[in-house]
Amino acid sequence: QVTLRESGPALVKPTQTLTLTCAFSGFSISTSGMCVSWIRQPPGKALEWLALIDRDDNRYYNTILKTRVTVSKDTSKNQVVLTMTNMDTVDTGTYYCARATYGSPYDHWGQGTLVTVSS
Amino acid sequence: SYVLTQPPSVSVAPGKTARITCGGNNIGVKSVHWYQQKPGQAPVVIIHYDSDRPSGIPERFSGSNSGNTATLTISRVEAGDEADYYCQVWDSTNDHQDFGGGTKLTVL
Repeated sequence: QVTLRESGPALVKPTQTLTLTCAFSGFSISTSGMCVSWIRQPPGKALEWLALIDRDDNRYYNTILKTRVTVSKDTSKNQVVLTMTNMDTVDTGTYYCARATYGSPYDHWGQGTLVTVSS
Repeated sequence: SYVLTQPPSVSVAPGKTARITCGGNNIGVKSVHWYQQKPGQAPVVIIHYDSDRPSGIPERFSGSNSGNTATLTISRVEAGDEADYYCQVWDSTNDHQDFGGGTKLTVL
């Protein structure tokens, strides 16, 4: 079955760089149209799409965050990595990875990982 | 980016019908997906492509999309439907997507 699991630090300091890994199984990102996104959710707030990477290594970013966010993948390891620089307290929240094919809904999500930004 | 507007909250008595709207400029030409999120859990898609239900989603959940508004309708609301609901669309060029601000459904 399809699974995704996020991992990374639970606590980062302001100005530091956050690196999160999404390890997935049960599907191949090499499948036509397949993509993996990162989506975050501050406590008590709405979902916010951050970035997407597809089978052809096309990468798309949230316009507001694009100078701080990078997404990459390791197809052989079935992993997608999110890097976010210059972390701030407002970046505190749960970070999810999720998979979709273009235009379709996100049908499988990781359980999410809570990242707290605090000194 | 494309702005999706949802009411922050909707309240409904058990057994009644809840309607949650998602407003966007000419959203009727886009495909809208709806997610249900319960506390401490990841979102789950409950309506895709405006009005289709994924396998396992009760028939009480339905969707429509026309003009500038997409609507999620929950019939015969149950206490277990209490959750946050989000609409989502893909940009027409598929290089961006947006979520609505979410609606908290309260069952009275």
